[in-house]
Amino acid sequence: SQTIHQWPATLVQPVGSPLSLECTVEGTSNPNLYWYRQAAGRGLQLLFYSVGIGQISSEVPQNLSASRPQDRQFILSSKKLLLSDSGFYLCAWSTSPFSYEQYFGPGTRLTVT
Amino acid sequence: AQTVTQSQPEMSVQEAETVTLSCTYDTSENNYYLFWYKQPPSRQMILVIRQEAYKQQNATENRFSVNFQKAAKSFSLKISDSQLGDTAMYFCAFMKHSGGSNYKLTFGKGTLLTVNP
Repeated sequence: SQTIHQWPATLVQPVGSPLSLECTVEGTSNPNLYWYRQAAGRGLQLLFYSVGIGQISSEVPQNLSASRPQDRQFILSSKKLLLSDSGFYLCAWSTSPFSYEQYFGPGTRLTVT
Repeated sequence: AQTVTQSQPEMSVQEAETVTLSCTYDTSENNYYLFWYKQPPSRQMILVIRQEAYKQQNATENRFSVNFQKAAKSFSLKISDSQLGDTAMYFCAFMKHSGGSNYKLTFGKGTLLTVNP
């Protein structure tokens, strides 16, 4: 069966510090991968998606970047965090090439102080 | 661009009763999917039910059913026989059937449902 992992589960970082959140998927190959952010009182906003290694599409211009160094690994990064980067970050995957169903990870709560 | 609107920030229902959550969306697409996701206090997003726009029949999953009105761009969720475990944030979401290899979800802001004993 397929599983999706995210770490860390929670993170408190000062403004201006770097960020690296990791997402890995097990039990499937060549998945589509997604990063979403959920700000307080809001729905999920798609940040990045990837259809293959090294292929990243950005949905919203921001202080963040994403990378996919391996087939089932998706990383969200920042060189310098802003207060506005605080939120709940969710990784999701779906089968490729066709899938309307996305499966979400447990999420990472990021607090920038 | 597509938008999804959930006009009820919070709702409550008594255990065993029925509740309906509202969702409207705006799109110029004709072929798309609609979803209801549940986010309990654990924050894990769970797919509750989906509806393909080309299907006239409303989707049903056990106690969960939808009322899909394509012309009105309305997609409500009905929960029957509410249980305490149904307490969660519920998100309505839209996905355009682009025909490509990636499918993007557009979410509403959510409705916090509380089931009272």
